[in-house]
Amino acid sequence: AQSVAQPEDQVNVAEGNPLTVKCTYSVSGNPYLFWYVQYPNRGLQFLLKYITGDNLVKGSYGFEAEFNKSQTSFHLKKPSALVSDSALYFCAVRDMEPSNTGKLIFGQGTTLQVKP
Amino acid sequence: DVKVTQSSRYLVKRTGEKVFLECVQDMDHENMFWYRQDPGLGLRLIYFSYDVKMKEKGDIPEGYSVSREKKERFSLILESASTNQTSMYLCASSWASGANNEQFFGPGTRLTVL
Repeated sequence: AQSVAQPEDQVNVAEGNPLTVKCTYSVSGNPYLFWYVQYPNRGLQFLLKYITGDNLVKGSYGFEAEFNKSQTSFHLKKPSALVSDSALYFCAVRDMEPSNTGKLIFGQGTTLQVKP
Repeated sequence: DVKVTQSSRYLVKRTGEKVFLECVQDMDHENMFWYRQDPGLGLRLIYFSYDVKMKEKGDIPEGYSVSREKKERFSLILESASTNQTSMYLCASSWASGANNEQFFGPGTRLTVL
C-alpha cells in the first residue's frame, strides 16, 4: 500500500539556523511528491513538487526539497529559518493505485516552531 | 491565481441537523476533493469528484454525501450531523492529470456539532 510518513510531530529551530522537515514515502513506480504549508486557521498552501528531473526542487518562500530515491525520502529544507515560517507542514504523494486519479496521500503533518 | 472558496469559515450546528458545505473554484478544474482534518490524523479524504455528476468515495465517506451539479461547485452534505463530525473541513481542486495537478485548497470550514 502507498503511504507517506513524517516521523517528527514537531521540529524546533532557532531563527537564522537551517531547518529540515522530514518525509519518507512508499509507492509503486515513480513518485509525484508535494509539500504544503498550513498557517493557523487557514487552508493548505502549495510549496513545491517533484515530478521528475533534478533531485533538488526549489519552491515558494525560499524552501527547497531534496528527492532521494534510494532512501525514499523527500525532506523539506531552508537555509535560514524565519519566525514567520512557524506553521504546520504536510508532505504528500500522488496516489497512483489503481490509476492516476489526482488523489493525494498526506502525511500526518509536522509542526515547525522557529524561535527568535 | 487559483481561487477556491468555501461558504463558511465557522459553522455551529445541532446533532441531527442536515448540513451543507459549499465549495467553489474558479479555474475550471476537473477534480474536486473534500477532506476533514483532525489533530494527529492529518488530512483524510471524504469524497472526490473528477467530473460533473461523478463522484467517488474516499477513505471516510460514512455519514457524508456529495453533489456536483456544476463543474465549479462541489457540495458536502452531512445527512444527520453528529458530534463526531466536529472537525475542520477542507475543499480542494486540481487539473485532471499531468504534471501540473497539484491541489489548491480553500480556507476551510470549522464545523462544530453540539
